[in-house]
Amino acid sequence: QSVLTQPPSVSEAPRQRVTISCSGSSSNIGNNAVNWYQQLPGKAPKLLIYYDDLLPSGVSDRFSGSKSGTSASLAISGLQSEDEADYYCAAWDDSLNGYVFGTGTKVTVL
Amino acid sequence: EVQLLESGGGLVQPGGSLRLSCAASGFTFSSYAMSWVRQAPGKGLEWVSAISGSGGSTYYADSVKGRFTISRDNSKNTLYLQMNSLRAEDTAVYYCAKDQLFQPAGDYGMDVWGQGTTVTVSS
Repeated sequence: QSVLTQPPSVSEAPRQRVTISCSGSSSNIGNNAVNWYQQLPGKAPKLLIYYDDLLPSGVSDRFSGSKSGTSASLAISGLQSEDEADYYCAAWDDSLNGYVFGTGTKVTVL
Repeated sequence: EVQLLESGGGLVQPGGSLRLSCAASGFTFSSYAMSWVRQAPGKGLEWVSAISGSGGSTYYADSVKGRFTISRDNSKNTLYLQMNSLRAEDTAVYYCAKDQLFQPAGDYGMDVWGQGTTVTVSS
């Protein structure tokens, strides 16, 4: 079982905005940066957000990340059908001395 | 082009061993930490192990500690995962991934991923 908790699924209509929450603790999100990954069906994960709110080159600015205390969020604005995927938060955990992924959230575009 | 190519997956009996390889190209391999991440069928991502750019520091998930060994050969630009005492719950797609830093601190995430290799543990 993961130490980072995400909602199993979120859905919204095209062109709308969705947010995905990621809840952790002081040993992970509270003391380390959060990264977000997108996994399209049948594909390898892709880095979407790093160091809480930075976008890798080539990632659409419709994606944004934020963090407060022991929680983080990923927002997707202007939702498109191509955004249908699984999204995972992740962070280093000082107590486990390892990297931990969130439980994952499936985004559905209605 | 930056690329990671895993190999070595397959079907193995419980208690058996397997060695995965990940061939890297298109970047200075020794400058970056590397990780293995797995995904069981229909499940989420699980970090397995990481190694620093020099190979001097290694890290493991509790679920594989004592059974799996991560290593790298910087002269061959290749990452390895030696998996011993395999269990049914180790069945998954195994991805290798490149960290953005020399040490696998996780803050900058993993920016390059391979396509994955499938490991099935079954009798």
